[in-house]
Amino acid sequence: QKEVEQNSGPLSVPEGAIASLNCTYSDRGSQSFFWYRQYSGKSPELIMSIYSNGDKEDGRFTAQLNKASQYVSLLIRDSQPSDSATYLCAVPHSGAGSYQLTFGKGTKLSVIP
Amino acid sequence: EAQVTQNPRYLITVTGKKLTVTCSQNMNHEYMSWYRQDPGLGLRQIYYSMNVEVTDKGDVPEGYKVSRKEKRNFPLILESPSPNQTSLYFCASSFQRGTGELFFGEGSRLTVL
Repeated sequence: QKEVEQNSGPLSVPEGAIASLNCTYSDRGSQSFFWYRQYSGKSPELIMSIYSNGDKEDGRFTAQLNKASQYVSLLIRDSQPSDSATYLCAVPHSGAGSYQLTFGKGTKLSVIP
Repeated sequence: EAQVTQNPRYLITVTGKKLTVTCSQNMNHEYMSWYRQDPGLGLRQIYYSMNVEVTDKGDVPEGYKVSRKEKRNFPLILESPSPNQTSLYFCASSFQRGTGELFFGEGSRLTVL
């Protein structure tokens, strides 16, 4: 069973602060990693993908990947109340012929005005 | 507009009464998948399809059936629903098999009494 672990939260940060969301995964062969945002009552939407070790920046979002430690994180700079949502980490299974995608249980983020 | 459409969005049914949740995408995507989302358990994959007539089990396939006779449609069938299948169901699609870049439908909330 491939596992993807996230702190469930809730994580509360003040407006304007940096929110740091963490994810660890068990499948050493995984090569790609994805962050989804899910507002309450809505469906998940993809916000970031990362494939290589290091950082990837997109606006206020930065994804960080460390394959040796099997760890991926999402930083949200200048957090806004509109960032309040549950953030899901997703990891495709490795191996030939495997097309499964496992999600973590998500971290609920609250940005306090 | 690119979208994944699920129907019905809300359904209350009784144990044993067969039902089908439809899913259709208009993006010519190869890959489609069904997830269920439950509090404390996160998103769990039920079935997925790599292309027409090609489907495979996810992590929680028991009690469900799927078919993929056309590229755009991927219905989820509950032959004999039970209360433990009460859940929020999401259909998702992707342009390429093996990627974690999914487009989600709006979800179908199913209650089995």
